[in-house]
Amino acid sequence: TQLLEQSPQFLSIQEGENLTVYCNSSSVFSSLQWYRQEPGEGPVLLVTVVTGGEVKKLKRLTFQFGDARKDSSLHITAAQTGDTGLYLCAGGSSGGSNYKLTFGKGTLLTVNP
Amino acid sequence: NAGVMQNPRHLVRRRGQEARLRCSPMKGHSHVYWYRQLPEEGLKFMVYLQKENIIDESGMPKERFSAEFPKEGPSILRIQQVVRGDSAAYFCASSPPGRTDTQYFGPGTRLTVL
Repeated sequence: TQLLEQSPQFLSIQEGENLTVYCNSSSVFSSLQWYRQEPGEGPVLLVTVVTGGEVKKLKRLTFQFGDARKDSSLHITAAQTGDTGLYLCAGGSSGGSNYKLTFGKGTLLTVNP
Repeated sequence: NAGVMQNPRHLVRRRGQEARLRCSPMKGHSHVYWYRQLPEEGLKFMVYLQKENIIDESGMPKERFSAEFPKEGPSILRIQQVVRGDSAAYFCASSPPGRTDTQYFGPGTRLTVL
């Protein structure tokens, strides 16, 4: 069974600060997705990374896929209150069933004004 | 483009009743996935469907749960004889052709079993 551990579980910071959240596993994934979920809503896809060592930037968000495709990080620069939400990572299974996403439990980020 | 649509958003059922959850994928998407999110748990894969075909139902409970994606109309997740443990948020996702790992989620249906 593939598992994804996200850390920290909770993070509360002030507006303008930088932060990094992590997604780790002992398993290799074919791809890794990051989502943000608001209360009462579905996860919103932020990015998909597929190559070991890949780095993708989305405005103030930087996503990195580990060289061995077992871990990933999300870095936010100069956080804003609108970044508040639950950040989920999800890994696509290797071996032909990459549609079967394994989700972590998420990092709940609160950005205070 | 409209995103993935799910209805109802909230559904209340008494124990023993049936629950029907509907999902319309994004335009141009022919792959549909269902996930369940239990309180304090992460999303868990249930089933992967294409039009008129169940591709992988390895995450579905063996009894009372079924899913379909007919040629016309939305995908349906059906739960017969619901029990309190079925209370959860059920999410549907769809993906574009050739990218089954890039899934776009709907807003979910929150099922409460009394």
